[in-house]
Parts: sequence; C-alpha cells; structure tokens
Amino acid sequence: ETGVTQTPRHLVMGMTNKKSLKCEQHLGHNAMYWYKQSAKKPLELMFVYNFKEQTENNSVPSRFSPECPNSSHLFLHLHTLQPEDSALYLCASRPSGGEVGELFFGEGSRLTVL
Amino acid sequence: GQNIDQPTEMTATEGAIVQINCTYQTSGFNGLFWYQQHAGEAPTFLSYNVLDGLEEKGRFSSFLSRSKGYSYLLLKELQMKDSASYLCALLDSNYQLIWGAGTKLIIKP
Repeated sequence: ETGVTQTPRHLVMGMTNKKSLKCEQHLGHNAMYWYKQSAKKPLELMFVYNFKEQTENNSVPSRFSPECPNSSHLFLHLHTLQPEDSALYLCASRPSGGEVGELFFGEGSRLTVL
Repeated sequence: GQNIDQPTEMTATEGAIVQINCTYQTSGFNGLFWYQQHAGEAPTFLSYNVLDGLEEKGRFSSFLSRSKGYSYLLLKELQMKDSASYLCALLDSNYQLIWGAGTKLIIKP
C-alpha cells in the first residue's frame, strides 16, 4: 500500500470511446505525475502538476487530457485513442516538485485499445 | 544529452548475490534512484545516492561513482520474492527523473 490509488486497474476501450483514469493520493503531497509504461521501455513522463498547476506537458498528444481539481486527485481523460496507446499508466506523487524526493506510485491502470 | 543503460534481464540463484549495473551520461546530476517493481504492482523506492560510495540497507546495497557515471544495486541472500524489475533513474539538474528501461531479475531455486 503506497498511499496512491488508481482506478480502474484494467480498461479495454475502442478507438472511438471516451474514458477516464483516476488517481487519488492520501499522503498530503503537492506534486502529482502521470507516466506511461510500455514493455521494455523507460517510463515516459506525460504530465506534472505542482500545487494543482500543470508544470509539465511532455509533448503528449491531445487525445490525452489531464485534470487536477485539487492536490489529492488527478485524472487522465482519454479520447479517440490509438492501439499504440495500449500501456500501463502510472500515477505518482511526491511532497512537491523541483526538489529531491522519492516518488510514490500507484499500481497503475492497464489500458488496452482495440 | 542524457542516457541511462541497464541490462534487460538477469538470472540468479536463490541464496546467491547479484549485481545490477546502471551507467549514465548527463550534464547535470542531483542523484540516482533505484526502484523495485513486481509484475502488476507499483514501483517502490529502494535507494537514493547522491554522493560517491556504498549505501547499505539490509540485504540491498547501492553504489555510486559520479566520475564514472556508474551505479549498481547489490542484492545479497537472494529470495524468490526478489524476482522483479529493478529501475534505475537519474535526477537531472532540473530535478526531472530520467529512467532506464529496467532490469528484469529472475530468481531460480
């Protein structure tokens, strides 16, 4: 139990569907992250939020849309995805960005796009 | 540019010792992390090194040489539960993490 909870754990969607991934952290952290993890590849940073403000968008296609309503919750809205977007999407948090500190990860949402 | 390399897969025997290497190239450095990730689970923090030398934490130790751009994770008295992927990550001058692709460690009885 890392204090970071992601739902759903598994998601299958068609290319025309709209779905959302949710992340919630109970650690009092102020920085939250979305990462994409594909087999045998390094973790790819997608988005960073620090004190609810987006501080990083790592050239992510617009079919991925993040939302951070407060420091405890982070969403990733998915629309018109492609099969190559199938991956494990990991949420992480840490006390705040721009400093040293370990990341606390959720267990991920395994996404399959048909 | 920045680059991190680690072996894709390693195999070791229960009770033995294994060393997982990580080499990197970077213009700015604020430390190096090791994480463990069991299949289907969250990556979890193992160690952080910012100064040269060996840091020991129970059965696990992590070593850093900044001049050589080199780190390793040493696992002693291997147990079956140590079968996992081990991720090396560099914290750059902007405090962004640069990740290696991970080393899958297979422990055999």
